[in-house]
Amino acid sequence: AQTVTQSQPEMSVQEAETVTLSCTYDTSESDYYLFWYKQPPSRQMILVIRQEAYKQQNATENRFSVNFQKAAKSFSLKISDSQLGDAAMYFCAYSPNRDDKIIFGKGTRLHILP
Amino acid sequence: DVKVTQSSRYLVKRTGEKVFLECVQDMDHENMFWYRQDPGLGLRLIYFSYDVKMKEKGDIPEGYSVSREKKERFSLILESASTNQTSMYLCASSKSPQGVYEQYFGPGTRLTVT
Repeated sequence: AQTVTQSQPEMSVQEAETVTLSCTYDTSESDYYLFWYKQPPSRQMILVIRQEAYKQQNATENRFSVNFQKAAKSFSLKISDSQLGDAAMYFCAYSPNRDDKIIFGKGTRLHILP
Repeated sequence: DVKVTQSSRYLVKRTGEKVFLECVQDMDHENMFWYRQDPGLGLRLIYFSYDVKMKEKGDIPEGYSVSREKKERFSLILESASTNQTSMYLCASSKSPQGVYEQYFGPGTRLTVT
């Protein structure tokens, strides 16, 4: 069965510092997609970053980057120069390359300390 | 700008009532999804749909049904609400193939069953 594991239920980081959120997944597929979604308090879930498994290069979106280790089935999210607006629940998610459901991890709540 | 709307942000119902949660997307997306979100459990998929009048069970379909009569609208039905269905319900939509494209989420409906 395909699973997504986020081992850190909560994390805190000082404003302007860097933080890394961990995610591992289990699959027998070779072609798939990985996502990090952000859910701010009382606001809609939005996509932060997306990685295609066939791409070796790690995806980057401004202050957000991933460390994708396909062999280790690891997909961590690095947030640089943390800002107060980064405080949210972050969900790691996996989807095979077909019309199928996305599998979400249980989430990591990130607190930003001023 | 893409948009997924849900009929209510907050809803309070009594045990045994029939409850309808409505979701509408204006992006002409083929795929639509219903999740419930509970603390410590993350997002769990209830039902999803790839096309009008099509539906697929997710991980926790018991006690729920869905309807998709029009492409833009996906309804979640609680046939006889119970207290253990008190939760946050999130609707999402995506283009096909689902794995390639991100999901867009609605703001959520917080349902309380008393």
